[in-house]
Amino acid sequence: GQNIDQPTEMTATEGAIVQINCTYQTSGFNGLFWYQQHAGEAPTFLSYNVLDGLEEKGRFSSFLSRSKGYSYLLLKELQMKDSASYLCAVSQSGAGSYQLTFGKGTKLSVIP
Amino acid sequence: GAGVSQSPRYKVAKRGQDVALRCDPISGHVSLFWYQQALGQGPEFLTYFQNEAQLDKSGLPSDRFFAERPEGSVSTLKIQRTQQEDSAVYLCASSLEVGGWYGYTFGSGTRLTVV
Repeated sequence: GQNIDQPTEMTATEGAIVQINCTYQTSGFNGLFWYQQHAGEAPTFLSYNVLDGLEEKGRFSSFLSRSKGYSYLLLKELQMKDSASYLCAVSQSGAGSYQLTFGKGTKLSVIP
Repeated sequence: GAGVSQSPRYKVAKRGQDVALRCDPISGHVSLFWYQQALGQGPEFLTYFQNEAQLDKSGLPSDRFFAERPEGSVSTLKIQRTQQEDSAVYLCASSLEVGGWYGYTFGSGTRLTVV
């Protein structure tokens, strides 16, 4: 099975930087995803990491360490519209590899 | 269409009633997934279709849940004799490639409330 942990809630100030951590335990790792989900809306794809290291995409970056079972999502120059839940999800290889296992999500509140 | 479309957006059902939830994936997408998202939780896998074939239904919580995709495009998730624990948002997602491990596109979901 898989176990994914991420903080339940975080608060950060507009213009600041915030790091959302995710740890996972899985057999047969095949990639890690971050999704953003505004209340009442669909999750939208932010990033995908399959190799160790940092992937940068504009204000958002995602880091992966496979040996540590650890990832983080870094959001820079926070804007009010970044207030949302951030979901960490893992894909495993082998049987069932098409499905993603999601963490419970981190609710980020950006305050002025 | 441009995105994954789900209907209805909201559904209130009396306990014991049958419901049918519809998903219109992005045109040409091979893979289609159903997920269930309870309040304050992450989505949980229900079932996976590759074209019209249901390759995995291991996440369906009971035999009251049934999904189909007869022509490899539109899919319907049916829940018979609904119970209060079925209250959740039901998300559909589709992916162009087989498997979808490079990420999906989700619909906005159907929020089911069983009273």
